[in-house]
Amino acid sequence: EVQLLESGGGLVQPGGSLRLSCAASGFTFSSSAMSWVRQAPGKGLEWVSSISGSGEGTWYADSVKGRFTISRDNFKNTLYLQMNSLRVEDTAVYYCALRYCSGGRCQYFQDWGQGTLVTVSS
Amino acid sequence: QSALTQPRSVSGSPGQSVTISCTGTSSDVGAYNYVSWYQQHPGKAPKLMIYDVIKRPSGVPDRFSGSKSGNTASLTISGLQAEDEADYYCCSSPGSYVLFGGGTKLTV
Repeated sequence: EVQLLESGGGLVQPGGSLRLSCAASGFTFSSSAMSWVRQAPGKGLEWVSSISGSGEGTWYADSVKGRFTISRDNFKNTLYLQMNSLRVEDTAVYYCALRYCSGGRCQYFQDWGQGTLVTVSS
Repeated sequence: QSALTQPRSVSGSPGQSVTISCTGTSSDVGAYNYVSWYQQHPGKAPKLMIYDVIKRPSGVPDRFSGSKSGNTASLTISGLQAEDEADYYCCSSPGSYVLFGGGTKLTV
């Protein structure tokens, strides 16, 4: 059974930093693409970032490019999201998600964690 | 890279059918058969319901079906049940980025 457990959320001031973690189990983590998706309070889903199984490929939404960094430790089966220069509009529940990819194309989010809340406020 | 367009809300009575539309462009929804749909109950994580436009993951009832015509994908839920009341999001993965629809609240 796939399990994704996020941690690291909390309250941070504008301009501050936070690192989210996602501990994965139940599948071959090192060969699986992963993503972060966020949801602001009362709003819809927004893709944030994705990373290939090896970690060599990374992709970002324009809204976070240059401020957020996705990474992974395939020995620890853990996905990370380093968030710098945080803004009030980054306030959201951040979900870790397992992506299904085939033939070089990533097609859908197969499994999701329960999310961790990040609040950016002074 | 604009969000996909969904109706904000739909409703139906138990036993009826409803269809939720998801409109994109010829560069995303219309370009590839990589449309997926997610169900989200309040306070819960999203759950995959449909992938590759028409396919259902194991465990998803066959009351849920997907289709696509041109730049518009659709999710149809037949034989509505109370537990189907939730938010539904469409998603397209046209390339290195991902697009979600704004979400549709289904009231049963």
